[in-house]
Amino acid sequence: QSVLTQPPSASGTPGQRVTISCSGSSSNIGSNTVNWYQQFPGTAPKLLIYANKQRPSGVPDRFSASKSGTSASLAISGLQSDDEADYYCAAWDDSLNGHVFGTGTKVTVL
Amino acid sequence: QVQLVESGGGVVQPGRSLRLSCAASGFTFSSYSMHWVRQAPGKGLEWVALISFDGSYKYFADSVKGRFTISRDNSKNRLDLQMNSLTAEDTAVYYCASGTNMDVWGKGTTVTVSS
Repeated sequence: QSVLTQPPSASGTPGQRVTISCSGSSSNIGSNTVNWYQQFPGTAPKLLIYANKQRPSGVPDRFSASKSGTSASLAISGLQSDDEADYYCAAWDDSLNGHVFGTGTKVTVL
Repeated sequence: QVQLVESGGGVVQPGRSLRLSCAASGFTFSSYSMHWVRQAPGKGLEWVALISFDGSYKYFADSVKGRFTISRDNSKNRLDLQMNSLTAEDTAVYYCASGTNMDVWGKGTTVTVSS
C-alpha cells in the first residue's frame, strides 16, 4: 500500500508543460529527500531526479522537480512524445523504516 | 558499463520458497547499498528490501518481513533475496537496484506464485 499519493494520470500536447504532484507526510517527504523515476512499458524504472531536484547525468533539463513541506512535484516542460511513460516519486519513511513509492502517474502526450 | 542482472525467477507453488540473485558488474559493488523492488502485474512499484554496503543493516517492507531475507556476497558481486512462504500476492517482476537513490536497475526477473 503506497503512502505517497500521485494523480493516476496527466496529459498535455507537445510543447506544453505538465506537472505531477506527490503528496506524503512528515515521516517521509517531510523529513527525507524525494526521488523520481521514469518507467516505459515493459522496461525497468530509470532514476530521473534525486535529492529533490538533482538530475543525473543525461537527463534533459526539461525535467525539473521541487519539494515543499510534505509534498513534491515533477515538471516536464516542452513535452515530447518520448515522455509518455509512468512516473513514480519515492522517499524513505522514518516511521516504516523503509522506502515508499508513490502510486504512479501515467503521462500521455495528446 | 554498470550492469545488474537478476536471475532465479520462475513459477512456484504457494507456500514454497525461491531464491533470487542479482549479479553486479562495472562498479565497486562493495561500496553501495542495494535494493530489491517489485512490481505486480499492472501495478505500481513496491520497495521490498534494502541492505547496506557491508551487509550490516537490512530493512524490509512490512509485506515481506519475516518471510524474505536479503544478503550479499561482496567477494562475488552478488545480491540475493531468499523468499519463503510465498503467496499469490508475491507474484511480480523483481528488480534489484543499486545505491542510496536506486541509481541503476536491472531488467528484472519474474516470479509467479500459482498452484
